[in-house]
Amino acid sequence: DTGVSQNPRHKITKRGQNVTFRCDPISEHNRLYWYRQTLGQGPEFLTYFQNEAQLEKSRLLSDRFSAERPKGSFSTLEIQRTEQGDSAMYLCASSLAGGLAKNIQYFGAGTRLSVL
Amino acid sequence: GQNIDQPTEMTATEGAIVQINCTYQTSGFNGLFWYQQHAGEAPTFLSYNVLDGLEEKGRFSSFLSRSKGYSYLLLKELQMKDSASYLCASSGYSTLTFGKGTMLLVSP
Repeated sequence: DTGVSQNPRHKITKRGQNVTFRCDPISEHNRLYWYRQTLGQGPEFLTYFQNEAQLEKSRLLSDRFSAERPKGSFSTLEIQRTEQGDSAMYLCASSLAGGLAKNIQYFGAGTRLSVL
Repeated sequence: GQNIDQPTEMTATEGAIVQINCTYQTSGFNGLFWYQQHAGEAPTFLSYNVLDGLEEKGRFSSFLSRSKGYSYLLLKELQMKDSASYLCASSGYSTLTFGKGTMLLVSP
């Protein structure tokens, strides 16, 4: 297994455009998480899935953000009408479900978004 | 909430020992995780604590006191490659709340 994979690694877009990122988790992991990280900050939780069900979303998540995991494998994160404040690293992580030991989250390398 | 506090920066010398402290709010707490993150790379898992006490893993150890809402990460025999950001994260039922990270600079 090659770990959590995210594409693209970098995305530059103009303000107002829509962007979509993809995450492929570790194959046997049934939980998948999205985080956002800006310079000098720790990752900030956005949302997570268990299988195909989206179980939790951050209260800070704008309605311009939507995530899907249609078949319980890969996930996509879409940002509509991007704003300059959306510029950040978007990290995906996956884990097993169960006790805390199984819930260790493994991160992908992230997609760096720059909104001009 | 689970506000996490950790120092912004620390410096240490190659071969030395360094302790990175972390405090957190205890409501809804389920466990404490430590991650290492090199610049421009993904966070990588180091250790976690559920119960009070010390967990040792090679050159890295992590300690937890649930009653005090306090943890630390201990790094021994520091190497230049240990220069990175160290993230403390509190676990609720399934999600992690991260601190801002402690940037550790190891000098020769």
